[in-house]
Amino acid sequence: GAVVSQHPSWVICKSGTSVKIECRSLDFQATTMFWYRQFPKQSLMLMATSNEGSKATYEQGVEKDKFLINHASLTLSTLTVTSAHPEDSSFYICSAPTSGSYTDTQYFGPGTRLTVL
Amino acid sequence: RKEVEQDPGPFNVPEGATVAFNCTYSNSASQSFFWYRQDCRKEPKLLMSVYSSGNEDGRFTAQLNRASQYISLLIRDSKLSDSATYLCVVQGNDMRFGAGTRLTVKP
Repeated sequence: GAVVSQHPSWVICKSGTSVKIECRSLDFQATTMFWYRQFPKQSLMLMATSNEGSKATYEQGVEKDKFLINHASLTLSTLTVTSAHPEDSSFYICSAPTSGSYTDTQYFGPGTRLTVL
Repeated sequence: RKEVEQDPGPFNVPEGATVAFNCTYSNSASQSFFWYRQDCRKEPKLLMSVYSSGNEDGRFTAQLNRASQYISLLIRDSKLSDSATYLCVVQGNDMRFGAGTRLTVKP
């Protein structure tokens, strides 16, 4: 089946620093990727939709200037958490559909666990 | 009201038991429905899609009732390896997750 990777798998950083998380589709091209956040014991929450060659679309309540998304190629989307604070500590997961349609099955990356001290 | 609601759980069952999870959704325009399994500190993995006619995959049976906006997952003959959180996922113009139901299967 389709494979999506994420890097890094975990990161610890000091408050105020920026953290970049990469999401790659390894064996297919993804014109669209999705970024989620999951706090402990809570459901996955969609943060934004990453679109190759155009601006990302953000869910209500997600600050686009804080969570910068760049979909530079058909296999790579990056999420940068700028000026991270302890409340940004979470599990960040990306997903991609093989067909580019939101209604298609999503393949998830393994996630990145961010801890901000 | 949450867009996707699941049994809060947790469910603690002995090996061999049959367990059922329920899920309701609020958006009647939703088009696709899935059950995902998420192990602790891991990403969700697709367990099965849910069709109106109902579908079965080994010990797992999924049902969809569009009129009642209700989805279910039945696990028969539970195994220790079934212990995980089960997420109900509803797709329309976007993708919405339920909070998940934690299942622990005990020896």
